[in-house]
Amino acid sequence: AQSVAQPEDQVNVAEGNPLTVKCTYSVSGNPYLFWYVQYPNRGLQFLLKYITGDNLVKGSYGFEAEFNKSQTSFHLKKPSALVSDSALYFCAVRDMRGGKLIFGQGTELSVKP
Amino acid sequence: ETGVTQTPRHLVMGMTNKKSLKCEQHLGHNAMYWYKQSAKKPLELMFVYSLEERVENNSVPSRFSPECPNSSHLFLHLHTLQPEDSALYLCASSPSYLDRSNYGYTFGSGTRLTVV
Repeated sequence: AQSVAQPEDQVNVAEGNPLTVKCTYSVSGNPYLFWYVQYPNRGLQFLLKYITGDNLVKGSYGFEAEFNKSQTSFHLKKPSALVSDSALYFCAVRDMRGGKLIFGQGTELSVKP
Repeated sequence: ETGVTQTPRHLVMGMTNKKSLKCEQHLGHNAMYWYKQSAKKPLELMFVYSLEERVENNSVPSRFSPECPNSSHLFLHLHTLQPEDSALYLCASSPSYLDRSNYGYTFGSGTRLTVV
């Protein structure tokens, strides 16, 4: 069965420091992977996706994610965190059978000044 | 605006009330989804509609009743809810249920439901 795991419930980073939000996946075949961000009392917003091609994917708001097939990971990164990046981040993988997205449990990112 | 609009944004209802949540998308998508998001819990997929036909119902209690009159509108009818049903209810849409384009989902801002 397809699945994603976000091993950290919360990540704390100082403003200006690099940030990483971790995601690992389990799929049969080639994975289609997504990152979404959710600000308080809002819906999820698309950040970036990996379908094929370069392992480093660039997305919105300066975020990028690195696809690593050998480690079955798709970690979200940003070189310099902003306080406004504080939000809930979801990793998702497309279910190859039915096509729907399967979401991880979410990681709360807190960036302090 | 994402192109997916949910109303109302906030709703407080008693356990004996009947209310409805509305979702409308202006993206020309053919698949629509209802998710429940409780505090400190992952997203729970409730229902999936493809071309106005329900294709998934993930063991949701009958006090939640979805309706999809056309591909642009999705409703969630609520009756005799319990306090544990208090949550953020999110609607999403995608070009198709199988999403062969890998477009992903577009979410609305959600309805914050409180059952008292």
